[in-house]
Amino acid sequence: DIQMTQSPSSLSASVGDSVTLTCRASQGISIYLNWYQQKPAKAPKLLIYAASTLQSGVPSRFSGSGSGTYFTLTISSLQPEDFATYYCQQSYNPPFTFGPGTKVDIK
Amino acid sequence: QVQLQESGPGLVKPSETLSLTCTVSGDSISGYYWSWIRQPPGKGLEWIGYIYYGGSTNYNPSLKSRVTMSVDTSKDQFSLRLSSVTGADTAVYYCARESSSQFDYWGQGTLVTVSS
Repeated sequence: DIQMTQSPSSLSASVGDSVTLTCRASQGISIYLNWYQQKPAKAPKLLIYAASTLQSGVPSRFSGSGSGTYFTLTISSLQPEDFATYYCQQSYNPPFTFGPGTKVDIK
Repeated sequence: QVQLQESGPGLVKPSETLSLTCTVSGDSISGYYWSWIRQPPGKGLEWIGYIYYGGSTNYNPSLKSRVTMSVDTSKDQFSLRLSSVTGADTAVYYCARESSSQFDYWGQGTLVTVSS
């Protein structure tokens, strides 16, 4: 199985800050990397697919980059609705695996 | 707008079989892969497996011996059966559509508790 790790596990930030979340894969996965946002008691929501493509309807303050084993998700100018947990997920090979998540909360 | 809705018992006894159904509306089930994903309380996400509308499946090896998925295209539904459950199977179970290698639509999730 491909193992996914994320860092940091949590971070505190203020509205208007820019934050970068990191995701690493245990082996190369090309750009088969997706990012999801999950709020408490809600289903995850697809934000970015194929490492850097913004899902329809997702604000442009979200951006993704990377390939191979190293990926980042950047949220520029955090908004109150962005405080949530973010998961990366590899779709390179089944079993599809998720990272443990990064929780972004309000400083 | 595609919508997915999970249904099934919220409480299952240890050693019994968990059964859930996902009903798809707003689009046909045809042409896509359909997954089950679970999340134990306070923990991360685990992909259980997928079924193609044509019936082919791919299960997570960690659960493969206990998982069966099926699809009913006439009803736009697909189902999950997980046998011999224990407390470790207590989780919110989500159904999701896989489109071009990403999960683009999810159900709201249903909590299944394994307890006697």
